[in-house]
Amino acid sequence: KAGVTQTPRYLIKTRGQQVTLSCSPISGHRSVSWYQQTPGQGLQFLFEYFSETQRNKGNFPGRFSGRQFSNSRSEMNVSTLELGDSALYLCASSLTGAAEQYFGPGTRLTVT
Amino acid sequence: QQQVKQSPQSLIVQKGGISIINCAYENTAFDYFPWYQQFPGKGPALLIAIRPDVSEKKEGRFTISFNKSAKQFSLHIMDSQPGDSATYFCAASMETASKLTFGTGTRLQVTL
Repeated sequence: KAGVTQTPRYLIKTRGQQVTLSCSPISGHRSVSWYQQTPGQGLQFLFEYFSETQRNKGNFPGRFSGRQFSNSRSEMNVSTLELGDSALYLCASSLTGAAEQYFGPGTRLTVT
Repeated sequence: QQQVKQSPQSLIVQKGGISIINCAYENTAFDYFPWYQQFPGKGPALLIAIRPDVSEKKEGRFTISFNKSAKQFSLHIMDSQPGDSATYFCAASMETASKLTFGTGTRLQVTL
């Protein structure tokens, strides 16, 4: 079974721009969660989508949004990028959302 | 509010030795405790997980010990190998929810 895939793997954007990241979960998994990983704040939960609905949300500003498609693929969007948004963005897939979550390799976003 | 405290921040162990990483949690609603292993440039990989109805779980060289009354759990890596050199994260969640709350990570180095 193929693992979680994320595209692109690396991205450089300028402050004020917006960015869209993509995640394809493991086949059959219906839950996709997004996390931000930074040296200072560690791994922080952004949000979770299940069957195209946002089911859980972390403490991030509204500039961070996401969506999930009928094939369970998910996208995450960050608008009006700030320097502090530079991070590794990780997507995790799960059968139901609870218990085992499997992470992708992440998208390294650099904001200049 | 940091809900999962992890120690030590870094650990150096000789090949063949035992690596021990500790975590403590605050939220008594947590009922699922996974450990993740992350290599540089990769996403976290699920290593082993435990639920509070057992006090210990072993998979190969990896063992989780769980103390519900103390709200603590730990990862033991027996016969540590250089290939185990990575960053280890403990996490906690409510099994009914997808949000993983992570510890701050432990960078393990296994020397020859």
